[in-house]
Amino acid sequence: TQLLEQSPQFLSIQEGENLTVYCNSSSVFSSLQWYRQEPGEGPVLLVTVVTGGEVKKLKRLTFQFGDARKDSSLHITAAQPGDTGLYLCAGADGGSNYKLTFGKGTLLTVNP
Amino acid sequence: EAGVAQSPRYKIIEKRQSVAFWCNPISGHATLYWYQQILGQGPKLLIQFQNNGVVDDSQLPKDRFSAERLKGVDSTLKIQPAKLEDSAVYLCASSLGLTGGEKLFFGSGTQLSVL
Repeated sequence: TQLLEQSPQFLSIQEGENLTVYCNSSSVFSSLQWYRQEPGEGPVLLVTVVTGGEVKKLKRLTFQFGDARKDSSLHITAAQPGDTGLYLCAGADGGSNYKLTFGKGTLLTVNP
Repeated sequence: EAGVAQSPRYKIIEKRQSVAFWCNPISGHATLYWYQQILGQGPKLLIQFQNNGVVDDSQLPKDRFSAERLKGVDSTLKIQPAKLEDSAVYLCASSLGLTGGEKLFFGSGTQLSVL
């Protein structure tokens, strides 16, 4: 079973601060996805990274896939209260079934 | 575009009772997933359908959980009998099909409380 460890588990910051959350595994993934989940809702896909070393930007969010495709990070610049939510990473095993394994998530609170 | 629809939104039952959840995926999506999300944890895949066939049900507790996807569209997930540890949010998701980099669309989930 492929496991994804996310850190930190909880993060509470003030509006305008920068932050980085991490997603680590001992397994290699064919691709890795980041989702954001708000209370009472299902996760919403933010980005998919496929190539080792890949960096993708989505406005103030920067996603990086590790060279060995075992880890990933999400950096948020100048966080806003609207960024509050549970950030989940999910790795795909590359098999024919495209099975996604989710981490436990990082619960981010951005205070105004 | 309509999203993934799930019902009911909330369900409270007593242990040993039965419960069923319903999911209507996005039109044209071949793959349908049921996930269980326990408070404080990430979603765990219970079962994955490709059209109306089961692709992966390795983590489905088959002694009490069952799921079907008739005609390759709607799906139901049933628990019989329920246990206290089944309290969780049950998420349904769908995607276009089995290719790399699939984008999953999730419904809002059914929150189950087993007392």
